[in-house]
Amino acid sequence: SQTIHQWPATLVQPVGSPLSLECTVEGTSNPNLYWYRQAAGRGLQLLFYSVGIGQISSEVPQNLSASRPQDRQFILSSKKLLLSDSGFYLCAWRPGVEQYFGPGTRLTVT
Amino acid sequence: EDQVTQSPEALRLQEGESSSLNCSYTVSGLRGLFWYRQDPGKGPEFLFTLYSAGEEKEKERLKATLTKKESFLHITAPKPEDSATYLCAVQDMKTSYDKVIFGPGTSLSVIP
Repeated sequence: SQTIHQWPATLVQPVGSPLSLECTVEGTSNPNLYWYRQAAGRGLQLLFYSVGIGQISSEVPQNLSASRPQDRQFILSSKKLLLSDSGFYLCAWRPGVEQYFGPGTRLTVT
Repeated sequence: EDQVTQSPEALRLQEGESSSLNCSYTVSGLRGLFWYRQDPGKGPEFLFTLYSAGEEKEKERLKATLTKKESFLHITAPKPEDSATYLCAVQDMKTSYDKVIFGPGTSLSVIP
């Protein structure tokens, strides 16, 4: 069966510091992968998606970036965090029509 | 522009008190409507996909229905463990399979 992992689970970072969040999927190959951000009281906002190694599509201009160095690995990064980057970050994959989510990373920028 | 709204924003029910959550959507053409359940601090858990008006799907105490403009998630005789935020999402036929628009969710609390 397929499993999606995210780490870390929680992260507290100061403004201006770098960020790296990792997502990996087990039990499948060449999955479509997604990064979402969920702010309190708001719907999930699609940040990036990837259909293969090195292929990244950006949905929202911001100071975040994404990379896909391996088939089942998706990384979300920032060089300098802003207060507004705080939120719950979710990775997802799509085997068919539906998307399935990982456990999420709670990021607090102080 | 594709849009999804959900009502009510929050709902408190007594255990056993049935009710419905609403999801209204605006898309050029619906490819699919999705319902998810999200527990606090966790990722959304997939529940249902509906594709066309008139379609219904059930899982335990939950039943999802779909019309051309909205979807309902009916909860029959809820239990405290049904407490969660329920998210609705849509996929427009004019966009890729990779773009899904989520609503803000309905927070459900079931009181024993």
